[in-house]
Amino acid sequence: SQTIHQWPATLVQPVGSPLSLECTVEGTSNPNLYWYRQAAGRGLQLLFYSVGIGQISSEVPQNLSASRPQDRQFILSSKKLLLSDSGFYLCAWKRSGNTIYFGEGSWLTVV
Amino acid sequence: AQTVTQSQPEMSVQEAETVTLSCTYDTSENNYYLFWYKQPPSRQMILVIRQEAYKQQNATENRFSVNFQKAAKSFSLKISDSQLGDTAMYFCAFMKHVSSGGSNYKLTFGKGTLLTVNP
Repeated sequence: SQTIHQWPATLVQPVGSPLSLECTVEGTSNPNLYWYRQAAGRGLQLLFYSVGIGQISSEVPQNLSASRPQDRQFILSSKKLLLSDSGFYLCAWKRSGNTIYFGEGSWLTVV
Repeated sequence: AQTVTQSQPEMSVQEAETVTLSCTYDTSENNYYLFWYKQPPSRQMILVIRQEAYKQQNATENRFSVNFQKAAKSFSLKISDSQLGDTAMYFCAFMKHVSSGGSNYKLTFGKGTLLTVNP
């Protein structure tokens, strides 16, 4: 079956520390992958998307970066977190039928 | 750029009754997809229903149905026989193909409508 997983589910990090959120997809090959952020009380904002290994497109300038080292792995990173990076991060992928499905999400609190 | 507008920040409905959530969008595209996603308190984003713009027939999934008006760029969600478990934030979303060196689709969300089902 086709599934998507992301971790960690919850993360509390101090300002200036690094970040790594990981997302993996199972049961498919060469999926389109996405990272979204949802700030408190707001809708979802697309941060990055990837159509293949090493191919990353950024939607908004920010303190974050993304990488796709393997076909079914998508990583969201930061070298130095800011308070404004706090939020709920969702990894997503496009399945056949042109529908996007989401992972369980990761809560990031920067203190 | 595509925009998605949900004009109702909050709504409430009594259990077993019917409620309609509104969504309008702005695009110059002819081929696209529209979705409603549900986000319960667990925060997981769950697909509720999907509509292809080239299909005139409104999509239906059990108690959920849409009223898709392409010319008016309107895509409302009707929930029949509302249940307590329907309490959630509902997001309307628009997706189109983006030709950027690969086969990619971008999903744009509205700001959401918080639906509360009261017993």
